[in-house]
Amino acid sequence: DGGITQSPKYLFRKEGQNVTLSCEQNLNHDAMYWYRQDPGQGLRLIYYSQIVNDFQKGDIAEGYSVSREKKESFPLTVTSAQKNPTAFYLCASKDRDPGNTIYFGEGSWLTVV
Amino acid sequence: DQQVKQNSPSLSVQEGRISILNCDYTNSMFDYFLWYKKYPAEGPTFLISISSIKDKNEDGRFTVFLNKSAKHLSLHIVPSQPGDSAVYFCALTSNFGNEKLTFGTGTRLTIIP
Repeated sequence: DGGITQSPKYLFRKEGQNVTLSCEQNLNHDAMYWYRQDPGQGLRLIYYSQIVNDFQKGDIAEGYSVSREKKESFPLTVTSAQKNPTAFYLCASKDRDPGNTIYFGEGSWLTVV
Repeated sequence: DQQVKQNSPSLSVQEGRISILNCDYTNSMFDYFLWYKKYPAEGPTFLISISSIKDKNEDGRFTVFLNKSAKHLSLHIVPSQPGDSAVYFCALTSNFGNEKLTFGTGTRLTIIP
């Protein structure tokens, strides 16, 4: 089955710790994205990558880091510098064909305790 | 500065009637428009899209209308079904390649049986 796999689904982090969320896609998509959703708000872009070994900051990149060493993988690290990390995180990918349809993973819940 | 607005946070519609969800944007550079549906704790799923060269696109019960002069996008669902109850996001992009999507804040649609 082709798709986007995010793990873990639920994650608890102590304050001051870094945590990494995994995102893997087997759709052969070039572009990958990380969004964050907070209650009652829309999706806000954290980072995106259009090609391997390249990525750009989105609207709320502070306190996050990413890497794109492989086409299929785009992990997101939530660092201790992120002041409000508790949120629902969504990974997405898109190919170069016309249509601009982004496909999303199932999401990861991060809670800081 | 919110470039994409969905001014109705929630909407309730009787089963079988038409649901109309609205989306307004400010940036005239957007040229591709999408609607996503999201259930709680899941990733959004793509519904329907339209490019700026069209003013209407239909797919089964879903129709998207685009009024470029008014910078307004709407999604019509008819007839509405209980399974349509979800949060709906409009998403816009500014070119036909791998650019990021800008999402609206979402509208929670509830279909009343």
